[in-house]
Amino acid sequence: ETGVTQSPTHLIKTRGQQVTLRCSSQSGHNTVSWYQQALGQGPQFIFQYYREEENGRGNFPPRFSGLQFPNYSSELNVNALELDDSALYLCASSFGADENFGPGTRLLVL
Amino acid sequence: GENVEQHPSTLSVQEGDSAVIKCTYSDSASNYFPWYKQELGKGPQLIIDIRSNVGEKKDQRIAVTLNKTAKHFSLHITETQPEDSAVYFCASYGSARQLTFGSGTQLTVLP
Repeated sequence: ETGVTQSPTHLIKTRGQQVTLRCSSQSGHNTVSWYQQALGQGPQFIFQYYREEENGRGNFPPRFSGLQFPNYSSELNVNALELDDSALYLCASSFGADENFGPGTRLLVL
Repeated sequence: GENVEQHPSTLSVQEGDSAVIKCTYSDSASNYFPWYKQELGKGPQLIIDIRSNVGEKKDQRIAVTLNKTAKHFSLHITETQPEDSAVYFCASYGSARQLTFGSGTQLTVLP
């Protein structure tokens, strides 16, 4: 059974740029959630996708957007990057309540 | 929205001793409470969870207790080992239909 994978592992961008992060779900999981984890803090829920539709959103501005594809893989897009967007971005897939996290993408905004 | 508070933020124990981490939540509709272990450079890994219809759950050296009346739940690790050293997060799933995480506990097991 293949777990959740994310790409890239690390990324450096400058303020104002746009970024796309990718996630491949665990086999059989139809739900994907994205989280932002700032250094020294717990993950914060960004949004969730279920069968290609957004199924819930946390307290993040519209410049954070996403997609889920028919194979249940997903993308997180962030426009107009700000310095505070520097964080570990985690993807979690699930079939039911138990979420399985990927290793994350470390984003640094300069 | 849901608020989850976690204590302590750091915890050091001697190998073989027990460790206890406590969390409180605010949403009385919360019904699922997972615990995650996060090692350096990795994503959180689910280690145990409990649902609101159960007061206690145990899996080998790890146990979780839930007090719905007081809205708090705890993680207990017995016979700690150096490989238990990591950051532990509690979380709750409530009426907003999303996981809300605590701020984490850095557990260090001293050999």
